[in-house]
Amino acid sequence: EAGVTQSPTHLIKTRGQQATLRCSPISGHTSVYWYQQALGLGLQFLLWYDEGEERNRGNFPPRFSGRQFPNYSSELNVNALELEDSALYLCASPFQEATDTQYFGPGTRLTVL
Amino acid sequence: AQKITQTQPGMFVQEKEAVTLDCTYDTSDQSYGLFWYKQPSSGEMIFLIYQGSYDEQNATEGRYSLNFQKARKSANLVISASQLGDSAMYFCAMREGLSFDDMRFGAGTRLTVKP
Repeated sequence: EAGVTQSPTHLIKTRGQQATLRCSPISGHTSVYWYQQALGLGLQFLLWYDEGEERNRGNFPPRFSGRQFPNYSSELNVNALELEDSALYLCASPFQEATDTQYFGPGTRLTVL
Repeated sequence: AQKITQTQPGMFVQEKEAVTLDCTYDTSDQSYGLFWYKQPSSGEMIFLIYQGSYDEQNATEGRYSLNFQKARKSANLVISASQLGDSAMYFCAMREGLSFDDMRFGAGTRLTVKP
């Protein structure tokens, strides 16, 4: 069973550009959570998708958006990139709500120059 | 308010020795879950161990055990027989609701295992 996958591994953009990050959850998992981990900090919850719908979002500006596709893979879009958006973006999927754990992908490291 | 506190930014341990990583949490909920994750330099968050607030026994997973002291609101991770591959960032996290959007992470502890 393949784990959570993310692409690309690294992404370099300049200020003002848009970035698109992708995530595929473990097969059969319907929920996808996105987190941002800025350098030296813990994880901050970004977005939660389940069954194709956005269920909740963290305290981030509307520049951060995304969607979930019918196959449950997900896309995170960051518009009008700012230097402070440079971070590791992690995607995770639990087996089901109320389960004991969630599994993370390897992350996408976004650098904004 | 800080929900999860990890007071040790960095820790060193000799190979084959045990090490305890501290974590305290703050919640008024009766039902919650506590997690520890390992993050190597590659970036991936690796799940290590889980403790439910109603679990009476301390959780154990191989060389990892969680020292759960509910009254003190602490959930320390104990790694026995440290290995060089244990060198990484370790994050404590707490989930208060049923979904993971309620999950809060600590700032992490960087563990270095010395040969």
